[in-house]
Amino acid sequence: EIMMTQSPATLSVSPGESASLSCRASQSVGSNLAWYQQKPGQAPRLLIYGASTRATGIPARFRGSGSGTEFTLSISSLQSEDFAVYFCQQYNDWPPITFGQGTRLEFK
Amino acid sequence: QLQLLESGPGLVQPSETLSLTCSVSGGSISTNNYYCAWIRQPPGKELEWIANIYYTGTTYYNPSLKSRVTISVDTAKNQVSLKLTSVTAADTAMYYCTFRPGSLRGHDAFDIWGRGTMVTVSS
Repeated sequence: EIMMTQSPATLSVSPGESASLSCRASQSVGSNLAWYQQKPGQAPRLLIYGASTRATGIPARFRGSGSGTEFTLSISSLQSEDFAVYFCQQYNDWPPITFGQGTRLEFK
Repeated sequence: QLQLLESGPGLVQPSETLSLTCSVSGGSISTNNYYCAWIRQPPGKELEWIANIYYTGTTYYNPSLKSRVTISVDTAKNQVSLKLTSVTAADTAMYYCTFRPGSLRGHDAFDIWGRGTMVTVSS
């Protein structure tokens, strides 16, 4: 089973600033990585798949990068609606499909 | 665009069988455009993939749950079901039905989600 580790657990940022969230895989997943955003009381929302392709309707301020074992979700010009929990997911080698433990992005 | 609605019992007794249903509207699940997955999330914790089912009926299960889980599809009702046997408190979670749409073919990422149904295992 491929383990996904996200860091930091919590990231405090001010609106208008940028944020970088990290996701590391225990073995290479190629570019088979997705990012999700989850707000309280809501289902996850797909942001990025294929490590760097934005899903339909996702603003350009969300950017995914990386391959192999190291991935980054970058969010520029943070807006109030961006403060949420973010999860990464690998789908290179499954079952099982596995998720990271999440990074909480909070107001500074 | 598909819309998903999960339903379940809310409260289940330990050792009993949990049965969940995902009702699909806005499209037929018996096409090669989608596949369905169940994913769960214990309160305050990370997401855990449970199982996938394809329009062909092919299924894949999380090895950690495989002995207790069955996913199935009823094309006549446009529903996907999940059964989890011998539940314990560790199965308490929000259970989500989710689909991989045809637009993401080649990527096992989930772009269509239901609102989830909360299941508590307690006596």
